[in-house]
Amino acid sequence: GAVVSQHPSWVICKSGTSVKIECRSLDFQATTMFWYRQFPKQSLMLMATSNEGSKATYEQGVEKDKFLINHASLTLSTLTVTSAHPEDSSFYICSARKVGAAYGYTFGSGTRLTVV
Amino acid sequence: QQQVKQSPQSLIVQKGGISIINCAYENTAFDYFPWYQQFPGKGPALLIAIRPDVSEKKEGRFTISFNKSAKQFSLHIMDSQPGDSATYFCAAAQNSGGYQKVTFGIGTKLQVIP
Repeated sequence: GAVVSQHPSWVICKSGTSVKIECRSLDFQATTMFWYRQFPKQSLMLMATSNEGSKATYEQGVEKDKFLINHASLTLSTLTVTSAHPEDSSFYICSARKVGAAYGYTFGSGTRLTVV
Repeated sequence: QQQVKQSPQSLIVQKGGISIINCAYENTAFDYFPWYQQFPGKGPALLIAIRPDVSEKKEGRFTISFNKSAKQFSLHIMDSQPGDSATYFCAAAQNSGGYQKVTFGIGTKLQVIP
């Protein structure tokens, strides 16, 4: 159990367009979902934390107007990269915490975004 | 400021050998220490985790050693296999506003050669 599906796996978009990435918990309800960004050969950097039904909490330095997060249900959170630019090209990964679980998160398989 | 320091950044081990990755932390509020394994193009997968009230945890070929007083913990992979070649991240988590906030180390790229 505890599977997190992330879609799409990879996406190429033109500069100036917006891209939506979905993160779904398939077999459990997730009170909290996290969005990370990972540059090549680097660690995961937390971008924001989203709780179902409330506004996301963004980490320092992350533009909330650029990275829109919606957590409308206990099984789905979306990250929209608005007006994407080449410097937004990265590997985006979500993770989810099962309702009632004190520790441990399940990660999605990631989305490789390339902005051309 | 790197809250979780991980070393080495890369490691080459012969098949059958022991792979050792070390991590250190400063924040004593951390109360959960997971290790993640990541293959290229994939998200991290939880490998093994430990709480600070335990000094060692073993699962199969993977062992975490934890030294609370030194604020250090390490991952040992016994009988390393080529299939273990991946990037390993140590992490430390603390409760923040009702959920865990996880801080990752920089990662160690492990290559196990036949």
